[in-house]
Amino acid sequence: QQQVKQSPQSLIVQKGGISIINCAYENTAFDYFPWYQQFPGKGPALLIAIRPDVSEKKEGRFTISFNKSAKQFSLHIMDSQPGDSATYFCAASFNQAGTALIFGKGTTLSVSS
Amino acid sequence: DADVTQTPRNRITKTGKRIMLECSQTKGHDRMYWYRQDPGLGLQLIYYSFDVKDINKGEISDGYSVSRQAQAKFSLSLESAIPNQTALYFCATSDSYDRDGRNEQFFGPGTRLTVL
Repeated sequence: QQQVKQSPQSLIVQKGGISIINCAYENTAFDYFPWYQQFPGKGPALLIAIRPDVSEKKEGRFTISFNKSAKQFSLHIMDSQPGDSATYFCAASFNQAGTALIFGKGTTLSVSS
Repeated sequence: DADVTQTPRNRITKTGKRIMLECSQTKGHDRMYWYRQDPGLGLQLIYYSFDVKDINKGEISDGYSVSRQAQAKFSLSLESAIPNQTALYFCATSDSYDRDGRNEQFFGPGTRLTVL
């Protein structure tokens, strides 16, 4: 059973538009939800993360929205730029430093100029 | 210099061969991980180690083994490689303590393995 479901698999957005990627999780014990960004030929890197005690976290153009009752969280990229073209992974784990992450299957984002 | 290094970066091998992928880190982290990435399947955890004496199986450990030779070194072995182990393999590290609230894992550049 897939514990973290991510959609869509791929996304094309025009420059300046809003990119939205959604994830849903099964295990209600999860309480740490990061998003990782991966460029071609590179390893993933942490982009932004949220804990369930808040409903939203914003860092620059990137925002996580979290809905605990629906067991869903999403990444919003405002004013999307060609440099944002990458693969994005949501993940979940337990609120403990260094705990292993369970990743979604990834979303490939292409921002057209 | 990169904080997390993986060797080799690319490897082509034949079915049945034993192969070892190596990971080294200079971040001083206690925790190390091996992930496998396949197109459309995301990242799947193979093994993880919380310190030199602690090794744990992940989601897809069958066909793989690991060795934590030192705090800074964590190697992944395929005892008898098979074609469906063709994938991109990533090593990652993290701190034991969530010092900045980000609970971040730091990934290496990956090893592309092809099993013929």
